[in-house]
Amino acid sequence: DVKVTQSSRYLVKRTGEKVFLECVQDMDHENMFWYRQDPGLGLRLIYFSYDVKMKEKGDIPEGYSVSREKKERFSLILESASTNQTSMYLCASRPGGMRETQYFGPGTRLLVL
Amino acid sequence: QKEVEQNSGPLSVPEGAIASLNCTYSDRGSQSFFWYRQYSGKSPELIMFIYSNGDKEDGRFTAQLNKASQYVSLLIRDSQPSDSATYLCAVNEPSGGYQKVTFGTGTKLQVIP
Repeated sequence: DVKVTQSSRYLVKRTGEKVFLECVQDMDHENMFWYRQDPGLGLRLIYFSYDVKMKEKGDIPEGYSVSREKKERFSLILESASTNQTSMYLCASRPGGMRETQYFGPGTRLLVL
Repeated sequence: QKEVEQNSGPLSVPEGAIASLNCTYSDRGSQSFFWYRQYSGKSPELIMFIYSNGDKEDGRFTAQLNKASQYVSLLIRDSQPSDSATYLCAVNEPSGGYQKVTFGTGTKLQVIP
């Protein structure tokens, strides 16, 4: 079974703090993704990576950065957390190939006060 | 902006009935289509995928794809209360040399006992 893990299930941070969310997958997938999910807005892509040290902006990259130093690990960084970044953050991984599905981690619910 | 549209619902059906969930997409280049189920507070899990026009059946679930009309649907036969969840439609589309997955905002299904 594919396993995608995220470092925290729940996180509370203060405005202005630097926040690190980590994601690890154990299936040697090339592609990894970070989404945020908000009521009524669905899943929105923040960043994705198709290879080690490679990254591409998604639909809402502002206020975020990412790091992929190893194939199995993809980190999302909030440089200076703001209250509008309170959300559910979901990591996903996927093998290469057009017909492959994504496998999601359990999610991190982040509250920024 | 490439879009995937779903009716947000809630769609309420009695136990044992057929639930019909619909999704339309805007990019004619889309090649693969996925349905995910998401329980409240949980991450999405894949339940069906379809690549070719027509129907694909898996147990109580049938996915239907019509590329000419750009819609994909999910039928759930003999609906059970445990099927109550939000169903996300996802479309895999080529995007600047990469494969990008766009999600709909989801349809909330309520199965009434």
